[in-house]
Amino acid sequence: AQSVAQPEDQVNVAEGNPLTVKCTYSVSGNPYLFWYVQYPNRGLQFLLKYITGDNLVKGSYGFEAEFNKSQTSFHLKKPSALVSDSALYFCAVREWASGGSYIPTFGRGTSLIVHP
Amino acid sequence: EPEVTQTPSHQVTQMGQEVILRCVPISNHLYFYWYRQILGQKVEFLVSFYNNEISEKSEIFDDQFSVERPDGSNFTLKIRSTKLEDSAMYFCASRTSGQTYEQYFGPGTRLTVT
Repeated sequence: AQSVAQPEDQVNVAEGNPLTVKCTYSVSGNPYLFWYVQYPNRGLQFLLKYITGDNLVKGSYGFEAEFNKSQTSFHLKKPSALVSDSALYFCAVREWASGGSYIPTFGRGTSLIVHP
Repeated sequence: EPEVTQTPSHQVTQMGQEVILRCVPISNHLYFYWYRQILGQKVEFLVSFYNNEISEKSEIFDDQFSVERPDGSNFTLKIRSTKLEDSAMYFCASRTSGQTYEQYFGPGTRLTVT
């Protein structure tokens, strides 16, 4: 079974400061990992994904995420937060296994609030 | 950039009525999905659809629900005899072939059952 946890309901950060949104996962085999962002009254927008290769993945809007296999984590980061980054962020995991489910499991979401 | 569209944006219905939520996936995508998000809760998978049939469904997707791809562009979710607890945002998503490809989500339909 696959699962994902976002331990923080809300993250507050000042504009210009670095931000981190945490995600940990559990799968039986190798993971595919995704980050999505949801702005108010909008659907989920894909930010970035880890499939294989470099542990540091770069995505849209200056976001990046680091895959850490030993800690089973995939934290989302940005060096300098913008007020416009304020949104709901979802981590998702899907196990990489032939014959298995191709459906990702989403975390509960973390509300990022960037203060001016 | 192509995007997934959904109609209506907001649907209000009375308990016991049937609703049809509509989605137009991205044109070259082959896999289609419905998710729901109850206010303040996580995004929950309902059903996936490939090659004109359901490929996976969750426990939520019971006999009350059905999906259809009536033509080459639309993908619909029908909810029969709606209940109060069906009130949620319903998201359609699609993706192209290949295991590594991410899903693209529509803006959602807010369903309110009164």
